Amino acid sequence: GESVGLHLPTLSVQEGDNSIINCAYSNSASDYFIWYKQESGKGPQFIIDIRSNMDKRQGQRVTVLLNKTVKHLSLQIAATQPGDSAVYFCAVLYSTLTFGKGTMLLVSP
Amino acid sequence: KAGVTQTPRYLIKTRGQQVTLSCSPISGHRSVSWYQQTPGQGLQFLFEYFSETQRNKGNFPGRFSGRQFSNSRSEMNVSTLELGDSALYLCASSLEGVNTEAFFGQGTRLTVV
Repeated sequence: GESVGLHLPTLSVQEGDNSIINCAYSNSASDYFIWYKQESGKGPQFIIDIRSNMDKRQGQRVTVLLNKTVKHLSLQIAATQPGDSAVYFCAVLYSTLTFGKGTMLLVSP
Repeated sequence: KAGVTQTPRYLIKTRGQQVTLSCSPISGHRSVSWYQQTPGQGLQFLFEYFSETQRNKGNFPGRFSGRQFSNSRSEMNVSTLELGDSALYLCASSLEGVNTEAFFGQGTRLTVV
């Protein structure tokens, strides 16, 4: 199976800062990793994904880093904005998708 | 294009009853997955359907079941409801399965009293 750990339940940043949210996973055979954003009252929204044959993938203001050696996944958000305030989940695929508990990102103006 | 639609949005049921939730995926998507979200356990995978067949199942009791129709719409059923089944039930649709980009609906909030 797979288990996904959370490093920090809440992260508070100032507008304009860069944010880093982390996840750790347990199964080295996991091969697909996804970050989701969930705003209050809404379903999770896909942000970015990465497969195990990559170490880094960039989107618009977001970067996902995958360190397979230590089984660690991170999401970096550049120039964080108040609209980025939400709960962020990582999900790891090994047979089925396993989700982390989520980090609540709070962005102050 | 229309997103994933889940109905109903809110539901209140009594212990022992059963409930059926519905999910209409994005047009063209063949995979529908169901998840349970609670404050204590977070998001947990229930099952995935692809082309009317259950392709994967999470670690939930047999009271939780589902099906998918030929138009890819999916339903999940929970029988003999327990208080602990109170949760937000989410479905996600994707083109080919959980290893491709998935789009979530807004969920059905089930309260068991």
